[in-house]
Amino acid sequence: EIVLTQSPGTLSLSPGERATLSCRASQSVSSSYLAWYQQKSGQAPRLLIYGASTRATGIPGRFSGSGSGTDFTLTISRLEPEDFAVYYCQQYGSSTRTFGQGTKVEIK
Amino acid sequence: QVQLQESGPGLVKPSQTLSLTCTVSGGSISNGAYYWTWIRQHPGKGLEWIGYIYYSGSTYYNPSLTGRVTISVDTSKNQFSLKLSSVTAADTAVYYCARGFVRATIFDAFDIWGQGTVVTVSS
Repeated sequence: EIVLTQSPGTLSLSPGERATLSCRASQSVSSSYLAWYQQKSGQAPRLLIYGASTRATGIPGRFSGSGSGTDFTLTISRLEPEDFAVYYCQQYGSSTRTFGQGTKVEIK
Repeated sequence: QVQLQESGPGLVKPSQTLSLTCTVSGGSISNGAYYWTWIRQHPGKGLEWIGYIYYSGSTYYNPSLTGRVTISVDTSKNQFSLKLSSVTAADTAVYYCARGFVRATIFDAFDIWGQGTVVTVSS
């Protein structure tokens, strides 16, 4: 099973700032089969990024994903008030899908 | 647009079987461009993938739950279901159904989620 470790656990930033979230895999994620999701309190997760860097339908351009192998990054270029939430990475390069433990982006 | 809705008992007794159904509306569950999955979230915790099914009936389960979990599909009702046997308090969670898309031959990310349903295991 591929273990995904996200860092930091919590990111305290102000609106307008840049957010950089990390996801590290215990072994290489084949063909960059990695996704990012956003979850707001009391809601289901929403797909942001798949294939490590492709934005899902309707996702604003301020969200971008990068990385390959074992190291992946989600960047939010300028935080909007609605972006404060928990973010999860997930790999689907192996039959057993796994999620990271999440990074909370909170208002500073 | 496609929507998913979970349904089933919110309270299950220990040692019994948890049964949930996900109804797909606005699209066909038999569309080979998609597959169907269950995910759960323990209170205040992260996400745990349970397993998935393709419309053909092929399945794959999280090895940590193999032996207790069964996912099935009913194409005539446009539904898929989860059964989790011998439940304990550790199975208390919000259970989500979700749709994954198929890209080339790859079972890709989960692009549409249900709102989730709370299941509590308690006597």
